[in-house]
Parts: sequence; structure tokens; C-alpha cells
Amino acid sequence: GQNIDQPTEMTATEGAIVQINCTYQTSGFNGLFWYQQHAGEAPTFLSYNVLDGLEEKGRFSSFLSRSKGYSYLLLKELQMKDSASYLCAVRDPGDSNYQLIWGAGTKLIIKP
Amino acid sequence: NAGVTQTPKFQVLKTGQSMTLQCAQDMNHEYMSWYRQDPGMGLRLIHYSVGAGITDQGEVPNGYNVSRSTTEDFPLRLLSAAPSQTSVYFCASTPHGGRETQYFGPGTRLLVL
Repeated sequence: GQNIDQPTEMTATEGAIVQINCTYQTSGFNGLFWYQQHAGEAPTFLSYNVLDGLEEKGRFSSFLSRSKGYSYLLLKELQMKDSASYLCAVRDPGDSNYQLIWGAGTKLIIKP
Repeated sequence: NAGVTQTPKFQVLKTGQSMTLQCAQDMNHEYMSWYRQDPGMGLRLIHYSVGAGITDQGEVPNGYNVSRSTTEDFPLRLLSAAPSQTSVYFCASTPHGGRETQYFGPGTRLLVL
């Protein structure tokens, strides 16, 4: 079956580094996305990985290992505004080639 | 560009009532989709469309209808509202090709009593 697992909640300190993991089991794979969602708002795109390795974008980096069905989002120099939920999603070609399968999200709490 | 817009932002319905959630995008995106988001669960795809005149069912289509008469608009209809449809509904659009990032509307919070 299709499954994406993320920790439900994590807590970190302002200025520190946090790693949010995502493991997936899908019938197909055509890319992995990370989205950020602040409470009461819509998800916004953070990163996209389709090949193994690390993608760096400012304070945020995302890593993918397709053989292990594993990704992580690394947030550096944490700021209070980083308090949000982080959603992992896998694109499965399926029938339409556009469907995304979503994890339940990881709520990240930043403490001063 | 306004991006993806949704109306209303919040709605209360009684069981059995029908209503339409509106979604529009001005980015000329071919692909549009409707999701519902419930606590503790990932976004679940209700219906999607790969272009004007073409729609298809997602993971949880029962109780919902869609149509796509134009590229810009993709309304979601609740036929006979049930308490189980209480949720936050997001519309999203995706450009054809490229990295296909999904752009989300601000969401509609629906409460069915």
C-alpha cells in the first residue's frame, strides 16, 4: 500500500538545527516534495528532490535516498517564524502522473 | 497575479444542505485539484482535472462533484452535506511540466452540523 511516515511533533530551540525525517512506501516514485504550512494557512512549497542527494536552499536543505525510501528536511539557524507544520509528499505516477501522496505532517515548535 | 483564490473562507452548513466551493486561478495552469485536510491525516485528494473539460476522481470522491468548463475555474460541489465532510478544503493548481510545484489557495473551512 501507499504510506508516508513523519514524526507527529518535534521541538527545537531558536538558533539550533533540526532534522525532520520522512519515510515512504509507494508503488511508484517520481519526486519528493517538502511543504511548509503555518497554522490556519495554506501549504507553501519548500523543496523538491527527484535524484539521490542533498538539495540546499538557504537555511533549508532536503536529502533523498530512493533506495531507502527516505528523505529528511534540515533547518538551520532556527527562527521563531519556522514554527509550522512540515509536509512530506511523494509524487506517484499512478494513473495521472500528477498525484501526490501526503504525509500527515510534522508540527515543529520553536522555543526561545 | 492573484494566484489561486477560494471562496468562501468559512462556511457553516446543516446536514443535507448543498453548496459550491469556488476556486479560480489566473496562472493558466492546466492541472487543478481539490484536497481536504483533517487533523492527524495527510492531505487527501478529492477530485482533480488535467485540463478544461476533463475531471477525474481522487482518493475520497464520494459526496463531491466537480466540473472544469474553463481553465481558470474549478468549483467543488457538496451534494448533500454530512458531518463527516467537516474539514478544511484546499484547491491547488500546477503548471504542466517542469518541477510541477503545486500552488495552494488559502482554504475554505467547512463545518457541517
